[in-house]
Amino acid sequence: EPEVTQTPSHQVTQMGQEVILHCVPISNHLYFYWYRQILGQKVEFLVSFYNNEISEKSEIFDDQFSVERPDGSNFTLKIRSTKLEDSAMYFCASSTGQGSVLTFGAGSRLTVL
Amino acid sequence: EDQVTQSPEALRLQEGESSSLNCSYTVSGLRGLFWYRQDPGKGPEFLFTLYSAGEEKEKERLKATLTKKESFLHITAPKPEDSATYLCAVQAGTDSWGKLQFGAGTQVVVTP
Repeated sequence: EPEVTQTPSHQVTQMGQEVILHCVPISNHLYFYWYRQILGQKVEFLVSFYNNEISEKSEIFDDQFSVERPDGSNFTLKIRSTKLEDSAMYFCASSTGQGSVLTFGAGSRLTVL
Repeated sequence: EDQVTQSPEALRLQEGESSSLNCSYTVSGLRGLFWYRQDPGKGPEFLFTLYSAGEEKEKERLKATLTKKESFLHITAPKPEDSATYLCAVQAGTDSWGKLQFGAGTQVVVTP
């Protein structure tokens, strides 16, 4: 069964460093998303991406964050100058189109020290 | 303000003991309500989508129902492999597709 692949599974970084989280969405999917889940809290929407541009972003997704689809298969989330409160599990998801279900990856756990 | 509230927070069941999970929501113009299952350290795994009040969907021991204010996930004769956190999420009418608002989840433990 097709799946969304995320790397790394766990990253530890120092406060102030830049982090890039990688995602390979399902190959025929056109819509891409990032969500995050702080330990013990709800899964939160960060950003949706379609046709090489951001469709919608939440108030969490400030200038510290950026997304990119550098080639035909990868979708990345960059976090500049990480803060302690950025520690969370980050989930990538994709869907074929509007009205279709989101398929989530297994997540990348980010720990900021 | 849009809200999604799940209850109970945790549920411990004996194998075979049926129960229901609740998801109540207040959103502007519901476009879809989703149930996902999440195992520890994993991403949410899709179970059901419900679009309109009165709709029901079933999959193995799970059945999801929807009213205008809430959704229920019924687990019939659960097995230990049904142990997981069950997440409810809604898509409001004003949001772009794919922007889901999640509840906090119900952690279900089924003991043999």
